[in-house]
Amino acid sequence: GAVVSQHPSRVICKSGTSVKIECRSLDFQATTMFWYRQFPKQSLMLMATSNEGSKATYEQGVEKDKFLINHASLTLSTLTVTSAHPEDSSFYICSAKREGDIQYFGAGTRLSVL
Amino acid sequence: RKEVEQDPGPFNVPEGATVAFNCTYSNSASQSFFWYRQDCRKEPKLLMSVYSSGNEDGRFTAQLNRASQYISLLIRDSKLSDSATYLCVVNHSGTSYGKLTFGQGTILTVHP
Repeated sequence: GAVVSQHPSRVICKSGTSVKIECRSLDFQATTMFWYRQFPKQSLMLMATSNEGSKATYEQGVEKDKFLINHASLTLSTLTVTSAHPEDSSFYICSAKREGDIQYFGAGTRLSVL
Repeated sequence: RKEVEQDPGPFNVPEGATVAFNCTYSNSASQSFFWYRQDCRKEPKLLMSVYSSGNEDGRFTAQLNRASQYISLLIRDSKLSDSATYLCVVNHSGTSYGKLTFGQGTILTVHP
């Protein structure tokens, strides 16, 4: 069964609105979760590392004020895309480490900004 | 140079064929290596970890050459269900929280 749950799976929104995506670890605690973005025909690009109880670590070129990450509990991290624009349309995927260095991925959220 | 680089593909093979994918990584201090598969419009799923001694899981064999900074995946007796994008993934050292770097992926299509 699923190890990491991600919701919603699909979002269509108007330009300028904010969208929140949830990532939950199931049956285990994840002090660290990861948020990735994948554009069509490209590989996953790490956006940020979400740390429980502290600030997220953002990769170079990722705007922290635009992509707000909150990791308030050991099983939940959220990514909020603020004031979304068409260029933010992408496939957003979260992951969590369960044992060792192996990461398990959520099913992803396909965001379409009109 | 990309941190993780894979064969560009795509590979188009008949059922039953053997196919091999290659991957190179740039950071010699990398510690962990994986192959993931990703189906169209789905999330990546772990196929197998890659160990220095080489490891096999059914029809799949993964090998690691640290000296050459090279990883490979061999698929024997290809099935239609093997059609997917195969991602070479590396965990660089010094990142205790486990940051992964993905290759661009190699597309495999197995046809009847």
